[in-house]
Amino acid sequence: KQEVTQIPAALSVPEGENLVLNCSFTDSAIYNLQWFRQDPGKGLTSLLLIQSSQREQTSGRLNASLDKSSGRSTLYIAASQPGDSATYLCAVRRWGGSEKLVFGKGTKLTVNP
Amino acid sequence: DVKVTQSSRYLVKRTGEKVFLECVQDMDHENMFWYRQDPGLGLRLIYFSYDVKMKEKGDIPEGYSVSREKKERFSLILESASTNQTSMYLCASSPLALGPPLFGEGSRLTVL
Repeated sequence: KQEVTQIPAALSVPEGENLVLNCSFTDSAIYNLQWFRQDPGKGLTSLLLIQSSQREQTSGRLNASLDKSSGRSTLYIAASQPGDSATYLCAVRRWGGSEKLVFGKGTKLTVNP
Repeated sequence: DVKVTQSSRYLVKRTGEKVFLECVQDMDHENMFWYRQDPGLGLRLIYFSYDVKMKEKGDIPEGYSVSREKKERFSLILESASTNQTSMYLCASSPLALGPPLFGEGSRLTVL
């Protein structure tokens, strides 16, 4: 059974710092891995999607990497801003065309001005 | 703007009541999902649907049913609400090509 773990559960950093969020998964037979952002009391917003054949994806100040063999992904946020404060979740889709995503429990990020 | 709309953001119901949570998407997506999100447990899939009138159980279907009579609408039904169904419910949709899902804003249900 696929399990997704995100460490740490919470992170507090000063504005301007570069930071890395971690995601690990137990079964490397994945179709893709996705990173989402969730603001308090709201739904999830898709940030980046990495296919299993890819190593990384970039969008603005965000860069996500994938190392399938070791079961790890990282989300790098450059020059963090208070507006980046949110919970970040990663999710994996199993290989085989299943529509189901398995989510981690998220990392709650606070960027202090 | 393309979006997933959950009609009720906040609901308060009594134990034993029948509860309907409605979700509508305007992107002609084939797949639709219902999740619940609880502190410490994360997101858990309740049901999903890959076509009209088609549905598949997720990880925690007990106590829930779903209805998808039209492509754009996916309803979650609690036949007899219980206090342990107090939660945030999130609806999502995605295209058949396994693209990233688009989530609604969520419905926070409290069962007293």
